[in-house]
Amino acid sequence: NAGVTQTPKFRILKIGQSMTLQCTQDMNHNYMYWYRQDPGMGLKLIYYSVGAGITDKGEVPNGYNVSRSTTEDFPLRLELAAPSQTSVYFCASLSYNSPLHFGNGTRLTVT
Amino acid sequence: EDKVVQSPLSLVVHEGDTVTLNCSYEVTNFRSLLWYKQEKKAPTFLFMLTSSGIEKKSGRLSSILDKKELSSILNITATQTGDSAIYLCAALRGTNAGKSTFGDGTTLTVKP
Repeated sequence: NAGVTQTPKFRILKIGQSMTLQCTQDMNHNYMYWYRQDPGMGLKLIYYSVGAGITDKGEVPNGYNVSRSTTEDFPLRLELAAPSQTSVYFCASLSYNSPLHFGNGTRLTVT
Repeated sequence: EDKVVQSPLSLVVHEGDTVTLNCSYEVTNFRSLLWYKQEKKAPTFLFMLTSSGIEKKSGRLSSILDKKELSSILNITATQTGDSAIYLCAALRGTNAGKSTFGDGTTLTVKP
């Protein structure tokens, strides 16, 4: 039972480069989320989706884009990476009245 | 804007001590309050509290929600070094978006 799978686990980007963080879940959850966590802080919501074809901005969406073409997949795109995007990124999913299921995170460094 | 505040931000205790972690929330359409434990990787789920005044227990951990005071506490009795972690509190909305707002966490260090 895989749950929520994120790839890659680690990545180093140069300023201005782009990349896509992959997230897939096999629990048939409608709701999916991307969070970032900076050192010593809680999780900040970047984008979320309530179902295939529907996405919306969270608290800190600038510099990111998402798509949700299927129920399973919710990739996060970084365009023109900046040092401020150095963080740990978590993807999560849930169904109604259940806690969030998290992936293991992607540690991203932008230099 | 939804807000979740945790206190204290950090706490250092010795094995065997009892600790109480606090979480207060201001969330539109509040549905549930969740507690997570985070060690090196992703947060792991501890408790989900929806009804006021009903204590949830799991071993040495327990938690309760007070909807009148818009707050929750997480108690850990007889702490062990393995309890050292960041404890995150999150408030879940009751809308169909199911958005969670997280506090900044309490970092608990348990010394032998």
